[in-house]
Amino acid sequence: SAVISQKPSRDICQRGTSLTIQCQVDSQVTMMFWYRQQPGQSLTLIATANQGSEATYESGFVIDKFPISRPNLTFSTLTVSNMSPEDSSIYLCSVDSIKASTDTQYFGPGTRLTVL
Amino acid sequence: ELKVEQNPLFLSMQEGKNYTIYCNYSTTSDRLYWYRQDPGKSLESLFVLLSNGAVKQEGRLMASLDTKARLSTLHITAAVHDLSATYFCAVDIGAGMRFGAGTRLTVKP
Repeated sequence: SAVISQKPSRDICQRGTSLTIQCQVDSQVTMMFWYRQQPGQSLTLIATANQGSEATYESGFVIDKFPISRPNLTFSTLTVSNMSPEDSSIYLCSVDSIKASTDTQYFGPGTRLTVL
Repeated sequence: ELKVEQNPLFLSMQEGKNYTIYCNYSTTSDRLYWYRQDPGKSLESLFVLLSNGAVKQEGRLMASLDTKARLSTLHITAAVHDLSATYFCAVDIGAGMRFGAGTRLTVKP
């Protein structure tokens, strides 16, 4: 299994500012994903981050709002830009192991963001 | 667009009883996942189902997949309080997953 860490674990931010969330994996993985979980809701895929190429965004999410970096096979960042209270959510990164196609997808512990 | 419908959304059970959570999805997919989430926690992987007729069991939980019916079930046998959590099914969409709304399970003594 993959061990995933995220920083920060939580933050409280002011409207109009930006926050960068880091995701570190203990092994090399092909694909990394970023999800959002709004309060009391299910998870929604924001984008897929592949090393060496631009992230692929799901409908309703744009690069200007959620820029993503993927500099290597073990690390990715998600920035939440120009935040508003509606961005208050838990942001989770997830990985798809390259070691076994039959393996599950693993989730990081999440970053709980509150925007005032 | 792929839709994943999960029901029931809320489930209150007595300890010792059995129940099934259903997950329907609208288009074909290679993989279906079940996750558990405790309050304030991240997601814990329970099962990944890869083929039609796949059945997996872990303790009091058993998951199955019928790709022709586009249906997966999570069966709970003789529920215990420790199973209280939110359960999500999720369907692989080639890159990432589409999640159901989740079933909030409460097991009462």
